[in-house]
Amino acid sequence: EIVLTQSPGTLSLSPGGRATLSCRASQSVSSSHLAWYQQKPGQAPRLLMYGASSRATGIPDRFSGSGSGTDFTLTISRLEPEDFAVYYCQHYGSSPLFTFGPGTKVEIK
Amino acid sequence: QVQLVQSGAEVKKPGASVKVSCKASGYTFTSYGISWVRQAPGQGLEWMGWISAYNGNTNYAQKLQGRVTMTTDTSTSTAYMELRSLRSDDTAVYYCARSRAIFGVVIIMDVWGQGTTVTVSS
Repeated sequence: EIVLTQSPGTLSLSPGGRATLSCRASQSVSSSHLAWYQQKPGQAPRLLMYGASSRATGIPDRFSGSGSGTDFTLTISRLEPEDFAVYYCQHYGSSPLFTFGPGTKVEIK
Repeated sequence: QVQLVQSGAEVKKPGASVKVSCKASGYTFTSYGISWVRQAPGQGLEWMGWISAYNGNTNYAQKLQGRVTMTTDTSTSTAYMELRSLRSDDTAVYYCARSRAIFGVVIIMDVWGQGTTVTVSS
């Protein structure tokens, strides 16, 4: 079973800053099986990235994803007020079908 | 527009069952699957299972096997998640999410319902 670890747990940054979020898998995974979701308080999660580096519909280009093997990164180049949220990485596999990381909270410094 | 609308909040006693609905609109229901994800208070996301709206095939999280059943009604474009023998640690917000295949085989959750709060308390 794949276990996803996200770091840091909390990232305190100012608007306009650059956020770098890490997702590490317990074993090598295909980048096509890695997705990122954003969740704001009181809201449902929203798909941000799939295939590690493809932005979902409507996601601004300040969001980018990269990585391969066991190490994946979500970067937000210039934080907007609406970007302060919790971010989850997710792996699509076989057993279980889906695994989520514990999340990284991006908060206003 | 594509949307998933879930049923309202539920309060249940330990040992009871709950059935949450998820009505889809704005797309061809049978062309996608539905995943169910829950989130306990202050916690992260936990995948519960997936159902194909095309043929009813299911895949459940091992820890919920035997307590959860996912079904669909294609005549009303509605998915259902029933959880039995409820315990206090089943208290959570339950989400449905449209699940579509990309790259031929990989599934992503691209549209989410608004969530249904289920509280289990004596």
